[in-house]
Amino acid sequence: AQRVTQPEKLLSVFKGAPVELKCNYSYSGSPELFWYVQYSRQRLQLLLRHISRESIKGFTADLNKGETSFHLKKPFAQEEDSAMYYCALSTHAGNMLTFGGGTRLMVKP
Amino acid sequence: DAGVIQSPRHEVTEMGQEVTLRCKPISGHNSLFWYRQTMMRGLELLIYFNNNVPIDDSGMPEDRFSAKMPNASFSTLKIQPSEPRDSAVYFCASSRQGGNSPLHFGNGTRLTVT
Repeated sequence: AQRVTQPEKLLSVFKGAPVELKCNYSYSGSPELFWYVQYSRQRLQLLLRHISRESIKGFTADLNKGETSFHLKKPFAQEEDSAMYYCALSTHAGNMLTFGGGTRLMVKP
Repeated sequence: DAGVIQSPRHEVTEMGQEVTLRCKPISGHNSLFWYRQTMMRGLELLIYFNNNVPIDDSGMPEDRFSAKMPNASFSTLKIQPSEPRDSAVYFCASSRQGGNSPLHFGNGTRLTVT
């Protein structure tokens, strides 16, 4: 069975500092990895997915199959980045997502 | 498109009462998911449907929980009888079928059972 682990429940940084939200997964096949974000009082929404290799709002994430990781990074955090971030995994068998426990990012002024 | 629509936004009920949560997925999406979010356990998948058929309900915590999808535009999640430990935010999400299709979430229903 697949599993997604986000080791940090809370990450607090100052504005302008680099950010890395960790995500590790376990799955025997080839997974699809996603990052979802939930801003205060808003619905959960897709931030980025590994197959797109895109940068959204300055965030990037690289799939490292050797380390089974998909860490989310941003070189310079902004206050508006404060939110709950969820890493998620989908198998090729379907689009059922398994979510990690989430990391709350707080960016202080 | 209004996105995934859930109702009610908030529900406060007493222990033992029946609770029904409702969801309208995005038109054209044929997969629907119910998730529960708590501080302790994060986001947990309860059940999901493909083409109105329940595919995996292994996340449904107990027989007190049941979900239906009578047609492509409507689903319900029912808790009977409700208990205080059911207090959480319940999210509905929909997507097109397929491993790369992102989920679109509703605003959630915040349930409080006293």
